[in-house]
Amino acid sequence: AQSVTQLDSHVSVSEGTPVLLRCNYSSSYSPSLFWYVQHPNKGLQLLLKYTSAATLVKGINGFEAEFKKSETSFHLTKPSAHMSDAAEYFCVVSARYGNKLVFGAGTILRVKS
Amino acid sequence: EAGVAQSPRYKIIEKRQSVAFWCNPISGHATLYWYQQILGQGPKLLIQFQNNGVVDDSQLPKDRFSAERLKGVDSTLKIQPAKLEDSAVYLCASSFGQGGSGANVLTFGAGSRLTVL
Repeated sequence: AQSVTQLDSHVSVSEGTPVLLRCNYSSSYSPSLFWYVQHPNKGLQLLLKYTSAATLVKGINGFEAEFKKSETSFHLTKPSAHMSDAAEYFCVVSARYGNKLVFGAGTILRVKS
Repeated sequence: EAGVAQSPRYKIIEKRQSVAFWCNPISGHATLYWYQQILGQGPKLLIQFQNNGVVDDSQLPKDRFSAERLKGVDSTLKIQPAKLEDSAVYLCASSFGQGGSGANVLTFGAGSRLTVL
């Protein structure tokens, strides 16, 4: 079975400072891992995905995440936050060849001017 | 390409009433999903269709929830009778194949927000 723990329910950063959203996963099989973003009243949008290729994954809008098997982590980072990054972010795990996505509880990112 | 369409965007009903949500997936996407997102929680899969067959409905409360995907294209999710705890956003998503692997990323609609009074 798969599960995801997002370690922070809320993160607040100042514009221009780095962003770190933490995610730990548990999976019985080699996982696929995703980060989705949800802006208010909008659908979930895929930021990036890990599917067994490079462990450092680059996504849209300057976000990236690193798969660390030894730590069972898949933290999301961005060097410099922008006001438009304020949203809720979900870490998602799926068995590599399975088809069921399991979502974390989400992290709300606040960006202060 | 056009995205996943859902309607209505908002619905308010009294408990014990019924409600239906509609979803039209991206053209050519064989797999369709309904997720329930309760405030403060991540989305939870209710049901997954592959074409017009059910792949997974293990978390669908079948005493009150039903879903169909006639002709393997659009889908309807129904709740009858609604309970207070059904207040949530109902998200529809679609993928080309069965989701989870990197090749089959899910595309989500904007969701239908249900409030049960």
